[in-house]
Amino acid sequence: KAGVTQTPRYLIKTRGQQVTLSCSPISGHRSVSWYQQTPGQGLQFLFEYFSETQRNKGNFPGRFSGRQFSNSRSEMNVSTLELGDSALYLCASSFPGTSGNYNEQFFGPGTRLTVL
Amino acid sequence: LAKTTQPISMDSYEGQEVNITCSHNNIATNDYITWYQQFPSQGPRFIIQGYKTKVTNEVASLFIPADRKSSTLSLPRVSLSDTAVYYCLVGDSDGGATNKLIFGTGTLLAVQP
Repeated sequence: KAGVTQTPRYLIKTRGQQVTLSCSPISGHRSVSWYQQTPGQGLQFLFEYFSETQRNKGNFPGRFSGRQFSNSRSEMNVSTLELGDSALYLCASSFPGTSGNYNEQFFGPGTRLTVL
Repeated sequence: LAKTTQPISMDSYEGQEVNITCSHNNIATNDYITWYQQFPSQGPRFIIQGYKTKVTNEVASLFIPADRKSSTLSLPRVSLSDTAVYYCLVGDSDGGATNKLIFGTGTLLAVQP
């Protein structure tokens, strides 16, 4: 079974631009979560999508948004990029239980975003 | 809001048992506690998950006291390949309809020969 894939793997943008990252979950998984990882803040939860609906959300500004398609693939978008948005963005998929019981999440390799 | 605390780093030798504790107050009452392992340039990898008491699988054990304010990951007989960063992951209930997940600060385990 193929793992979680994320595209692109590396991205360089300039301040003020916007970016869209893509995540394809493991076949059969319907929950997709996004995380930001930086040396200073560690791993931070962005949001979780399940059946095309945002089910849970972390404490990130509205510049960070996402969506999920009917085939469970997900995209996240960051508008008006800031230098502090430089990070590794990780996507994870799981076959969810009830909300609150986060079954084993399978992480992709991440997209390394650099904002200049 | 939930807050998690882990030791920044730990050192061990091959063959020893290692216990890594994560302190987490105010976690969501219905959420599980999960531990992940991360190697450089890779996404985290699931190790073990539990709700309360003790859980054991083929690679680790997880101890969760009744108050669920902490959890301890136990790695028996570590090897060099266990050198990695270990994270706990908990749910944080803000009292509303949604939860958010909070990763611990991470513990860098360095295993020496």
